Amino acid sequence: EAGVAQSPRYKIIEKRQSVAFWCNPISGHATLYWYQQILGQGPKLLIQFQNNGVVDDSQLPKDRFSAERLKGVDSTLKIQPAKLEDSAVYLCASSLGLAGAYNEQFFGPGTRLTVL
Amino acid sequence: DQQVKQNSPSLSVQEGRISILNCDYTNSMFDYFLWYKKYPAEGPTFLISISSIKDKNEDGRFTVFLNKSAKHLSLHIVPSQPGDSAVYFCAASARTGTYKYIFGTGTRLKVLA
Repeated sequence: EAGVAQSPRYKIIEKRQSVAFWCNPISGHATLYWYQQILGQGPKLLIQFQNNGVVDDSQLPKDRFSAERLKGVDSTLKIQPAKLEDSAVYLCASSLGLAGAYNEQFFGPGTRLTVL
Repeated sequence: DQQVKQNSPSLSVQEGRISILNCDYTNSMFDYFLWYKKYPAEGPTFLISISSIKDKNEDGRFTVFLNKSAKHLSLHIVPSQPGDSAVYFCAASARTGTYKYIFGTGTRLKVLA
């Protein structure tokens, strides 16, 4: 079974530029998550999708971050414009079950973003 | 507000000995706890979990203990192996809303051969 795929693996941009990350979850997984992991911290949930609907985006900085999951499969996370403090690893995860239950989350390798 | 805390950023253990990683939480609503392991340049992988109705869960060399009164959990690895060297995150979840995971800051374990 293929795991969660993410691209690009690394990205370096200057502040005020825009950037997009892509995630392809495990086939058949209903729930998709985007996490931000700043150096020295644990992953922090940014947004959670169930199929193509948003379940939780309470910690997403909506003035600059946006995400979509068209057709309930793969997803993109965009930052526009980027700030220095957005430098982090962006992790995508997916789970088979629906929100509202404990589901094992499978993580992708992440995209390391550096904002200069 | 750090609801899940891992106060030891790093730990070194000799191969074959026991590794004990600790995690504290503040939210009494948490009722499900997990440990994830992360190697460099890879995403975290699920290791073991425990529900609040239990105080111990074992899976091979890995055992998680939960002390609800102290709001403390620990992961024991016996015997430790060099391949266990990684960053370990504990996470907690509550049976409310979307059951989202709150992660600790991680402990880097180094098992010395």
